[in-house]
Amino acid sequence: AQSVTQLGSHVSVSEGALVLLRCNYSSSVPPYLFWYVQYPNQGLQLLLKYTSAATLVKGINGFEAEFKKSETSFHLTKPSAHMSDAAEYFCAVSDETGTASKLTFGTGTRLQVTL
Amino acid sequence: DTAVSQTPKYLVTQMGNDKSIKCEQNLGHDTMYWYKQDSKKFLKIMFSYNNKELIINETVPNRFSPKSPDKAHLNLHINSLELGDSAVYFCASSLNQRGYTFGSGTRLTVV
Repeated sequence: AQSVTQLGSHVSVSEGALVLLRCNYSSSVPPYLFWYVQYPNQGLQLLLKYTSAATLVKGINGFEAEFKKSETSFHLTKPSAHMSDAAEYFCAVSDETGTASKLTFGTGTRLQVTL
Repeated sequence: DTAVSQTPKYLVTQMGNDKSIKCEQNLGHDTMYWYKQDSKKFLKIMFSYNNKELIINETVPNRFSPKSPDKAHLNLHINSLELGDSAVYFCASSLNQRGYTFGSGTRLTVV
């Protein structure tokens, strides 16, 4: 089964600083990888996804992620943090067996942005 | 316009009650899911239906029974609610494994 590991349950950055949220995957086949964001008391919003096209994926709100097969990583970055980026971020991998596909999530990283 | 809609958004109920959460998608997707998010924010799949057929059933107590009357709807019925069932339940849908769309969640509180 495929899985993802998010390193760091809490990350704190200053406003304007680089955001780096780490995600490593485990997969026996080329994976489909996703980053979702969850703002307080809200649902899950797709930030970006990797579906085996370009390895550098650009998403919404200035976020991007790079798929690195050699490092089995899909880290999320943003050059300059904004207060509105404070949220919970989830990395996920799509796992497909026969007709069944599902998203398997990492444990999440809470991003705090300070002044 | 909402792609995946769930009702109700909030549900507060007493232990032992039976309750249902409804989900509808207007994306034309053929697979729908229920996920549970616990108090530590961990998201875990519960069920998956493909064209009204149960495909995934992940070690969920029998008190939870999903029902899919058609491809666009997937409801979750919970019998004899327990305190530990308190969580946020998310419905989702997909056409293939390249994209998943989530509803806004139902926060269930059992008292």
